[in-house]
Amino acid sequence: QKEVEQNSGPLSVPEGAIASLNCTYSDRGSQSFFWYRQYSGKSPELIMSIYSNGDKEDGRFTAQLNKASQYVSLLIRDSQPSDSATYLCAVKRRSQGNLIFGKGTKLSVKP
Amino acid sequence: DAEITQSPRHKITETGRQVTLACHQTWNHNNMFWYRQDLGHGLRLIHYSYGVQDTNKGEVSDGYSVSRSNTEDLPLTLESAASSQTSVYFCASSTRNTGELFFGEGSRLTVL
Repeated sequence: QKEVEQNSGPLSVPEGAIASLNCTYSDRGSQSFFWYRQYSGKSPELIMSIYSNGDKEDGRFTAQLNKASQYVSLLIRDSQPSDSATYLCAVKRRSQGNLIFGKGTKLSVKP
Repeated sequence: DAEITQSPRHKITETGRQVTLACHQTWNHNNMFWYRQDLGHGLRLIHYSYGVQDTNKGEVSDGYSVSRSNTEDLPLTLESAASSQTSVYFCASSTRNTGELFFGEGSRLTVL
């Protein structure tokens, strides 16, 4: 089992809809969870971090964490064509400084 | 503004040559990392450092080395480049506690 798993997509949603991106992880010792956005040909940029169970909202983005189910999700409300990118889920173990990344989900928002 | 810069941005080399990719950050971060990104594999950790004189192997370290002589720089060296090392390489840094990585713009390396 991969440490961090994401559906590769592509996930296609119409403009204005809610995009839902999901991620599962295998190590119960994981303590910090991150969502990065990566446009084609660019470097990943951090958009959300979440450390405790529940929801965390930032503008149109909501990150959700359920440690019991080892599940992290990212909701993008009112999706825009500019949200079209690959979204990377990343996990940090308690004892380590590095992040383990999923392979990413490609999101396409159609006008 | 603080930043993290990589050079060169694009490099073409031949099999067997030594290549060094530079990474310089002005965030004053303790932690620095090198990842490679390939289609079908995502981001994979090559080497990382938690401070000056500290280096550690990551998931795919074979054929790569790093050194950390100061806080700002973590150069990545390919001792004898192989075609399997054709990839996009990202350097990143973070503070000791948060784990939030800040990435450089990437270096695209082609080994012929």
